[in-house]
Amino acid sequence: DAGVTQSPTHLIKTRGQQVTLRCSPKSGHDTVSWYQQALGQGPQFIFQYYEEEERQRGNFPDRFSGHQFPNYSSELNVNALLLGDSALYLCASSEGSGGYTFGSGTRLTVV
Amino acid sequence: GDSVTQMEGPVTLSEEAFLTINCTYTATGYPSLFWYVQYPGEGLQLLLKATKADDKGSNKGFEATYRKETTSFHLEKGSVQVSDSAVYFCALSSYNTNAGKSTFGDGTTLTVKP
Repeated sequence: DAGVTQSPTHLIKTRGQQVTLRCSPKSGHDTVSWYQQALGQGPQFIFQYYEEEERQRGNFPDRFSGHQFPNYSSELNVNALLLGDSALYLCASSEGSGGYTFGSGTRLTVV
Repeated sequence: GDSVTQMEGPVTLSEEAFLTINCTYTATGYPSLFWYVQYPGEGLQLLLKATKADDKGSNKGFEATYRKETTSFHLEKGSVQVSDSAVYFCALSSYNTNAGKSTFGDGTTLTVKP
């Protein structure tokens, strides 16, 4: 049983560009959350998707947007990249209140 | 708002030593509490959880008890192994107010030496 799959694993972008990160949740999970993890810090909540709608959002600017598809997979889009957007982006899926299953993340470097 | 405070690391122990990593929280309502572990180059893995006061979560020799009176959820293990070296994150989810959003501490790095 595959867990949470994220792609790509690493990415280098130039400041001002746009990026799309992808996530396939664990089988049976219908809720996808995205987190940003800066080096040496805990994950910070970006937003959560359920039934193809954004259910909740953290303190991130509108440059961060997302989408959930009918098969529960999800994308995270970041526009107008800043150097400060360099981080590990984690996708987590869940079903109910049992806690998350995390993917291995996408390491985004903005130069 | 919700917050989680973990003891600062890094923590270095010898194999078979006793481990305690302190975690305290601030939250509205009655949150669920979690410990996650992150190995180098990987995402977080759920280690254990507790959903109500006085519950004890346990897994792989690790334990943590939900203490509402002290708003704490300290992680313990009686005898650590080299393979336990990782970063440990305490987290909470206030489902009654935040529909599944989790708030994480900054992590505590554990290194176990042979």
